[in-house]
Amino acid sequence: ETGVTQSPTHLIKTRGQQVTLRCSSQSGHNTVSWYQQALGQGPQFIFQYYREEENGRGNFPPRFSGLQFPNYSSELNVNALELDDSALYLCASSTAGTANTEAFFGQGTRLTVV
Amino acid sequence: GQNIDQPTEMTATEGAIVQINCTYQTSGFNGLFWYQQHAGEAPTFLSYNVLDGLEEKGRFSSFLSRSKGYSYLLLKELQMKDSASYLCAVRDPTDSWGKLQFGAGTQVVVTP
Repeated sequence: ETGVTQSPTHLIKTRGQQVTLRCSSQSGHNTVSWYQQALGQGPQFIFQYYREEENGRGNFPPRFSGLQFPNYSSELNVNALELDDSALYLCASSTAGTANTEAFFGQGTRLTVV
Repeated sequence: GQNIDQPTEMTATEGAIVQINCTYQTSGFNGLFWYQQHAGEAPTFLSYNVLDGLEEKGRFSSFLSRSKGYSYLLLKELQMKDSASYLCAVRDPTDSWGKLQFGAGTQVVVTP
């Protein structure tokens, strides 16, 4: 176990709805990154949060937004859900500024949009 | 452009050796990671290379050549539990510290 926990583990939503996914980072880690993994693909970087600020963003539209809290936990919000948003959403925590630190992944949230 | 390439699938016999190659082309480079991912589960860290050369960790070894934009993961003494997807990921600090760019993964199938 990595110490990174995500909730919920599975979720079914209807197209057009909004969803919030949650991530608790590993103790001592101050950076949280979110990834989207479609079936049969590698994870795609959505964005990263460091000290409660967005610190880099991948090629995702503004309806993907996030928050990081003082305890370093994080939320991913997706508005106006589309069918293509169906994927495994992964949260990874790490420590910024440390050269060789790996990212520890949570177990993911499987989102299905119908 | 940004590109990380690895073979889609490899099959090997229990007890054998398999080498998974990864080539990358990214804006920046601050380390290459290999992750193992079983179906429906989160990726788990296997290895990290930032300098050229071979890193050995038990049955798994990883090699990096920065000048060639090339890495490989070597799995020795294959076991059935090694059947999984193996993800090559480059840490690219260009836009954001810690951003990982992943390949699509190599599905390794271990047969008896």
